[in-house]
Amino acid sequence: SSELTQDPAVSVALGQTVRITCQGDSLRSYYASWYLQKPGQAPLLVIYGKNNRPSGIPDRFSGSSSGNTASLTITGAQAEDEADYYCNSRDSSGNHVVFGGGTKLTVL
Amino acid sequence: EVELLESGGGLIQPGGSLRLSCAASGFTFSSYAMSWVRQAPGKGLEWVSAISGSGGSTYYADSVKGRFTISRDNSKNTLYLQLNSLRAEDTAVYYCAKDLGTVTTYYFDDWGQGTLVTVSS
Repeated sequence: SSELTQDPAVSVALGQTVRITCQGDSLRSYYASWYLQKPGQAPLLVIYGKNNRPSGIPDRFSGSSSGNTASLTITGAQAEDEADYYCNSRDSSGNHVVFGGGTKLTVL
Repeated sequence: EVELLESGGGLIQPGGSLRLSCAASGFTFSSYAMSWVRQAPGKGLEWVSAISGSGGSTYYADSVKGRFTISRDNSKNTLYLQLNSLRAEDTAVYYCAKDLGTVTTYYFDDWGQGTLVTVSS
């Protein structure tokens, strides 16, 4: 299986733009999906595939990918976006899933 | 509205067994693959196992292969995870997660609230 690497913590000023990244060899072959998780809650899917948002997810969330790096961008971060963010993708076998270690986003 | 309700967690001694259930409602259960994802206390997410909508294909993380068994009963709209030979490192909140597709896409668009499994003597 492959690994996905995320920065442990990122901060952003209220209303500014932040990018959270996820690196791994499997991302050269597969798109990532992104989840946010607030304390005591289940994860919530925010981006999947090339750049798809589930119903109800604000359009300030967007995804992109280049080489072995997937990125989640929040344009105009809000206080309610403060959460842990996880990426995931298939591993190199295609039949298993790997998650990144998570990025704690602080909105200042 | 999709609802996933896990049950069956609890305190279990090392080497013991447990069966988790996930009761699903609000969607055509048999049309979607399902997964179990766990989260150890204070740690990140770890995918555990997946099953196709028909139940004909199953997949396991290396860390649980040979010890855990995923299954589903589409007539009861219920997903299961049988946990055998439990170890301390299996202690975690176990979430069931609905896949976007009938076969595994590994995009999880709905999650339950989780059930806590604690392995300790």
